[in-house]
Amino acid sequence: AQTVTQSQPEMSVQEAETVTLSCTYDTSENNYYLFWYKQPPSRQMILVIRQEAYKQQNATENRFSVNFQKAAKSFSLKISDSQLGDTAMYFCAFMKHADDKIIFGKGTRLHILP
Amino acid sequence: GAGVSQTPSNKVTEKGKYVELRCDPISGHTALYWYRQSLGQGPEFLIYFQGTGAADDSGLPNDRFFAVRPEGSVSTLKIQRTERGDSAVYLCASSLIGINSGANVLTFGAGSRLTVL
Repeated sequence: AQTVTQSQPEMSVQEAETVTLSCTYDTSENNYYLFWYKQPPSRQMILVIRQEAYKQQNATENRFSVNFQKAAKSFSLKISDSQLGDTAMYFCAFMKHADDKIIFGKGTRLHILP
Repeated sequence: GAGVSQTPSNKVTEKGKYVELRCDPISGHTALYWYRQSLGQGPEFLIYFQGTGAADDSGLPNDRFFAVRPEGSVSTLKIQRTERGDSAVYLCASSLIGINSGANVLTFGAGSRLTVL
């Protein structure tokens, strides 16, 4: 069975700083997808970034980028120039290729301080 | 609609009662998913619909939980004989086609918070 582990329950950084959220996963699959979702207090899950395991190049979306280390089964999220609106729960997630279930970690609560 | 709509936003019920939670997906989205998010946890998969049929219900915890999508749009999650352990946020999501195609992403609703006293 696949598992996703987020070892940082909570983090705080000053506005405009860079922060990295850690995620490791366990799978015997070779083909899969990885995601980072943001959940603000409104509860709606919002996709931040996704990565296909077969792609070596790390995904980027504006201020958000990932460090995907397939051999180490690590998938960290870097947020550059953090903004107050980045305050939220962040969930790392995994999905096998051609599957229909996304498996989520327990989340990291991120506070951006003014 | 513009987004995924879930009602009620909050529901408080007593142990043993029956509840229904409704999800109205984005118009035209054929795939619909239910997830359950307990306090301090990430969402856990419950069931996936492709059109009117449940393509995968392996996440439903027991036979007290049931979901329908009779016309391939709105879905209702039904919980019988509720227990305190059922307290959670129930999230619904939809996608144009199933995410197992790899090309599509989920759009989530804001969830229904269920509290069983």
